[in-house]
Amino acid sequence: EPEVTQTPSHQVTQMGQEVILRCVPISNHLYFYWYRQILGQKVEFLVSFYNNEISEKSEIFDDQFSVERPDGSNFTLKIRSTKLEDSAMYFCASRWDLQETQYFGPGTRLLVL
Amino acid sequence: GEDVEQSLFLSVREGDSSVINCTYTDSSSTYLYWYKQEPGAGLQLLTYIFSNMDMKQDQRLTVLLNKKDKHLSLRIADTQTGDSAIYFCAEITSGTYKYIFGTGTRLKVLA
Repeated sequence: EPEVTQTPSHQVTQMGQEVILRCVPISNHLYFYWYRQILGQKVEFLVSFYNNEISEKSEIFDDQFSVERPDGSNFTLKIRSTKLEDSAMYFCASRWDLQETQYFGPGTRLLVL
Repeated sequence: GEDVEQSLFLSVREGDSSVINCTYTDSSSTYLYWYKQEPGAGLQLLTYIFSNMDMKQDQRLTVLLNKKDKHLSLRIADTQTGDSAIYFCAEITSGTYKYIFGTGTRLKVLA
């Protein structure tokens, strides 16, 4: 069964460093999402992406964040200058159609020191 | 607001039924979902219900939907220790159809 994959599974970085989280959505999917979950809290929407542009973003998704689909398979989330409060689990999701279920990846756990 | 509310904790004995409740906010939500998250792990889709249904049964899982009260519940029959996890409900919002997750219910199953 096709699945969303994410790399790396864990990343540790120093405050102020840039990180890129990578996702490979399911191949025929058209809508892509990033969510994050701070430890012990609920899952929060960050951004949605369709047709090579952002369709919606949350208040969390400020100028330090960007997303890109650099080729036909990868979907990346970049944090330019990480802060301690960016430490969280980041989930990528994709779907074929707006009415269909979103499929979530296993997540990348980011720790900012 | 966009807060989807759940009770934080539920403790049951093995073999009993568990009922996890959720109050959602968007009456135009087309689908409502239940996800399971084990410690340190990702989100596992358990089941979902379409908004024109009142009930959906899937093996040990029963989902009840009360659209008037915007209330969703997940019943787990014959709860096992392996069911211990955090359970999130989620609704789809209109527009970009992003998911809004609930606060999560931590289910503890006592042997």
